[in-house]
Amino acid sequence: NAGVTQTPKFQVLKTGQSMTLQCAQDMNHNSMYWYRQDPGMGLRLIYYSASEGTTDKGEVPNGYNVSRLNKREFSLRLESAAPSQTSVYFCASSGGLEYNEQFFGPGTRLTVL
Amino acid sequence: GQSLEQPSEVTAVEGAIVQINCTYQTSGFYGLSWYQQHDGGAPTFLSYNALDGLEETGRFSSFLSRSDSYGYLLLQELQMKDSASYFCAVRFHSGNTPLVFGKGTRLSVIA
Repeated sequence: NAGVTQTPKFQVLKTGQSMTLQCAQDMNHNSMYWYRQDPGMGLRLIYYSASEGTTDKGEVPNGYNVSRLNKREFSLRLESAAPSQTSVYFCASSGGLEYNEQFFGPGTRLTVL
Repeated sequence: GQSLEQPSEVTAVEGAIVQINCTYQTSGFYGLSWYQQHDGGAPTFLSYNALDGLEETGRFSSFLSRSDSYGYLLLQELQMKDSASYFCAVRFHSGNTPLVFGKGTRLSVIA
């Protein structure tokens, strides 16, 4: 099992460009999450999906959109990137008997110039 | 609202014991988790406490006191590889719901 995978690993954008971060899990988990991590700020929840077909805003949703494409995949879209969105983005999933444990992907390091 | 407080940095000697504290203020509480993150890596799950008391997993233990809104992570027989950031996180709704993370404690283990 690959667990949680994210693409790309690194990305550099110019202000105003758009991009989609991809995330997939092969653990048959119902819930998936997108976090951003900035130095000294811990992990902040952007959006989450408790089950296929549902999405909810987290702590810092402005400037982002998400799509729960199916049970496996949860994408994060930046429509018009801003330098304030320079961060490391982590996708995570949880569910089944292990719902108290979140499994994280390797992260995407995004720089917006 | 929800807030979690933990020290920003801790330094300890190889072979020693270190305790990382976490206090929380949340509108609801259903459990306290701990995650470890090495530089450049992803967070990985260490432990989860829903009830008061101590949970032990090898060299790591986690404690919770719901009445004091307080928990801690105890690392024994410290090794250099334990140098990492440690995050406490609270589940504030029942079931499979999001966590709120603290800002993390950076542990440095020195020889």
